[in-house]
Amino acid sequence: GAVVSQHPSWVICKSGTSVKIECRSLDFQATTMFWYRQFPKQSLMLMATSNEGSKATYEQGVEKDKFLINHASLTLSTLTVTSAHPEDSSFYICSAPRQGSNTGELFFGEGSRLTVL
Amino acid sequence: LAKTTQPISMDSYEGQEVNITCSHNNIATNDYITWYQQFPSQGPRFIIQGYKTKVTNEVASLFIPADRKSSTLSLPRVSLSDTAVYYCLVGGYSGNTPLVFGKGTRLSVIA
Repeated sequence: GAVVSQHPSWVICKSGTSVKIECRSLDFQATTMFWYRQFPKQSLMLMATSNEGSKATYEQGVEKDKFLINHASLTLSTLTVTSAHPEDSSFYICSAPRQGSNTGELFFGEGSRLTVL
Repeated sequence: LAKTTQPISMDSYEGQEVNITCSHNNIATNDYITWYQQFPSQGPRFIIQGYKTKVTNEVASLFIPADRKSSTLSLPRVSLSDTAVYYCLVGGYSGNTPLVFGKGTRLSVIA
């Protein structure tokens, strides 16, 4: 079964509204989670690293005021796309490191498809 | 972070063995090699991981030469359901170090 769960799996919203995507680690604690974005026929692009209890670390070119990340607990990280526009339409995927691993293995969520009209 | 290079796409018939090679010339001593599979509209799924020599699980085998500058994912007797994108990633999680995805290899299995 899934060890990292995302919600919602898909969402459609109007331009200018904000959308929140949740990423939960199931049965394990994740002090760090990673958020990726994937456009059609392209690879996953790392957006930011979510750190429990502290500010997220954003990759170059990712607007931190537009993509708000909150990691308020050891099992939940949220990504809020603020004032969404059609170009924000994408597949958003979160991941968490395998507990106790130092080999880089990640568990991935099912992904959340955002469509902005 | 070590950069990886894979073929963009591959085609195979059902029942054949498929080998996908990944180059990672700048792999660091502490880096592991991990392969993921991704179906459309789904998150990547772990396939196999290794550090050196050969690793085998119920799904695939991973061959890593002594210099570790490349690796080969071997899928025995592929089926239509193996049609997916396969990503080779190199790294070792330490602190907040994320894994960076390359372009991946799009495998198409034909009946």
